[in-house]
Amino acid sequence: SAVISQKPSRDICQRGTSLTIQCQVDSQVTMMFWYRQQPGQSLTLIATANQGSEATYESGFVIDKFPISRPNLTFSTLTVSNMSPEDSSIYLCSVLQSGNSYEQYFGPGTRLTVT
Amino acid sequence: RKEVEQDPGPFNVPEGATVAFNCTYSNSASQSFFWYRQDCRKEPKLLMSVYSSGNEDGRFTAQLNRASQYISLLIRDSKLSDSATYLCVVNGRNDYKLSFGAGTTVTVRA
Repeated sequence: SAVISQKPSRDICQRGTSLTIQCQVDSQVTMMFWYRQQPGQSLTLIATANQGSEATYESGFVIDKFPISRPNLTFSTLTVSNMSPEDSSIYLCSVLQSGNSYEQYFGPGTRLTVT
Repeated sequence: RKEVEQDPGPFNVPEGATVAFNCTYSNSASQSFFWYRQDCRKEPKLLMSVYSSGNEDGRFTAQLNRASQYISLLIRDSKLSDSATYLCVVNGRNDYKLSFGAGTTVTVRA
């Protein structure tokens, strides 16, 4: 499977600031996704990162709060804007390698704490 | 109703025991089913896909019951290293988006 890296691995940020998380894959992938995992909970899909166009957001998530870029087939960024303590979470990117399978593989995650 | 529901456990079992647990899903149009494993403070890792006929991978056996809309995972000869949270994951028809259960925690003790 693809090797996925995320930067930063963790950060502590002040409320009102923004953080951009990077996701890099070692090979071209069909699709990339961003998830959030809040403490003690399972994963929630934030959006699908579309190459060369605007991301597709799930209910409850908006572009102004979570702008996403995907300039090519191996890289994507998620920005958490105007952060509040409620944004403290693990943010994970995942990839779908081919169109023949729905198996997704996850990056190591970014642990964000907002104070 | 949640899309995917799991018994959170925890299941505490001795080494060598067999442990099994289920999850149920609400979308009858779902086509793809998976079990992921998540260790503490780590990302989910794909354990196995679940096929209609059921499938086995070493000590792990997954079954799918479409009529009752549930998926099961059985772990034989449990090892200490099997201690983890097991996530039941389902997608919709022709949809790449995955829905995650809240996870079942398994602890294998010596």
